Amino acid sequence: NAGVMQNPRHLVRRRGQEARLRCSPMKGHSHVYWYRQLPEEGLKFMVYLQKENIIDESGMPKERFSAEFPKEGPSILRIQQVVRGDSAAYFCASSLGTLTGANEKLFFGSGTQLSVL
Amino acid sequence: GENVGLHLPTLSVQEGDNSIINCAYSNSASDYFIWYKQESGKGPQFIIDIRSNMDKRQGQRVTVLLNKTVKHLSLQIAATQPGDSAVYFCAENMEYGNKLVFGAGTILRVKS
Repeated sequence: NAGVMQNPRHLVRRRGQEARLRCSPMKGHSHVYWYRQLPEEGLKFMVYLQKENIIDESGMPKERFSAEFPKEGPSILRIQQVVRGDSAAYFCASSLGTLTGANEKLFFGSGTQLSVL
Repeated sequence: GENVGLHLPTLSVQEGDNSIINCAYSNSASDYFIWYKQESGKGPQFIIDIRSNMDKRQGQRVTVLLNKTVKHLSLQIAATQPGDSAVYFCAENMEYGNKLVFGAGTILRVKS
């Protein structure tokens, strides 16, 4: 009964490198959300995807950040040419349906801690 | 720009006492509210939720109260235990929306 799986748990990158963060939603869930958390802050919404489609990317920086959720395989959050300010915990969450549905809940993974040197 | 962390409010309670964590939400169009618990190094864990057509909902040792008039949400934890120590976040979802907006969080420290 696996929950939302994220890997790697910790990722260290040097400035200018690319970071790829992976998220496998709970079994049967087709809605994926990415959030970012800085130390001692709340989670900030980045992007919401439903299989193969980006539904809402209003929280994504316009440059260097992209996300995908292919038909097969995990969702990927990609950060190109990382800078120190990208250092944060990145959490993925999934739901079975849309959050407007009755009894719909959002389940979070354990996150990926990205450190940019 | 540079990201500056904020100091989260802290609630310290004695083991066995009741805890009340408060949250003010901003959007009157929000119709779904959730409380999450986050322990160090872990992802947020669902505690309890409530829809806007209710003003109170009870779970095991937890109660959520919703006051839509003043846009206020609270989480009550009965007989607080050391394992309850964590950061607690409220989150809201706008009507017809599909993303949760999180509050800043409150640190709960339980003294034995």
